[in-house]
Amino acid sequence: QKEVEQNSGPLSVPEGAIASLNCTYSDRGSQSFFWYRQYSGKSPELIMSIYSNGDKEDGRFTAQLNKASQYVSLLIRDSQPSDSATYLCAWGYSSASKIIFGSGTRLSIRP
Amino acid sequence: EAGVTQSPTHLIKTRGQQATLRCSPISGHTSVYWYQQALGLGLQFLLWYDEGEERNRGNFPPRFSGRQFPNYSSELNVNALELEDSALYLCASSPRVTSFGGYTFGSGTRLTVV
Repeated sequence: QKEVEQNSGPLSVPEGAIASLNCTYSDRGSQSFFWYRQYSGKSPELIMSIYSNGDKEDGRFTAQLNKASQYVSLLIRDSQPSDSATYLCAWGYSSASKIIFGSGTRLSIRP
Repeated sequence: EAGVTQSPTHLIKTRGQQATLRCSPISGHTSVYWYQQALGLGLQFLLWYDEGEERNRGNFPPRFSGRQFPNYSSELNVNALELEDSALYLCASSPRVTSFGGYTFGSGTRLTVV
């Protein structure tokens, strides 16, 4: 079983709509969860981190965590063409350590 | 504040040669992580260094090695290069604190083995 499962996409969403990205993880000891955005040819950029069950909002982005279901998601409201990228889900432990990444979901926002 | 810096940006090597990649962490960060991202694939964890020590290692052969210097900069060495080592190598750093806020990545080194 993969440690982090993501739908590889591509996920196509019309401009202005809500994009929903999902991720499941296998290690119940996971404490920290992250969403990274990676544009083609660039390095990943941290956009959201979440540690507790529930929702965390930052601008147009909302991360949702459900530890019981081992599920984390990212919602992007009012999607813009500039949101077109690969989104990587990742998890780690509470202390500084390696992060395990999913293979990413390609998101395409169509005008 | 300067971010994570990696050098060189691009590196072309011949199969069987050795490659050396370098990384300077953000000032104050003591942990350095190396990842490999082959074309179309996800990030695969390679190595984690903290306070000069190797803390964890991913599922890679021993010809992938590295070290961390007293100023916390790091070097990744890949010996006996193979064609499948062609990838984007990413370095990240984080502070050594108990509340883990995630990595900041450098811009990467694109290694091409021919």
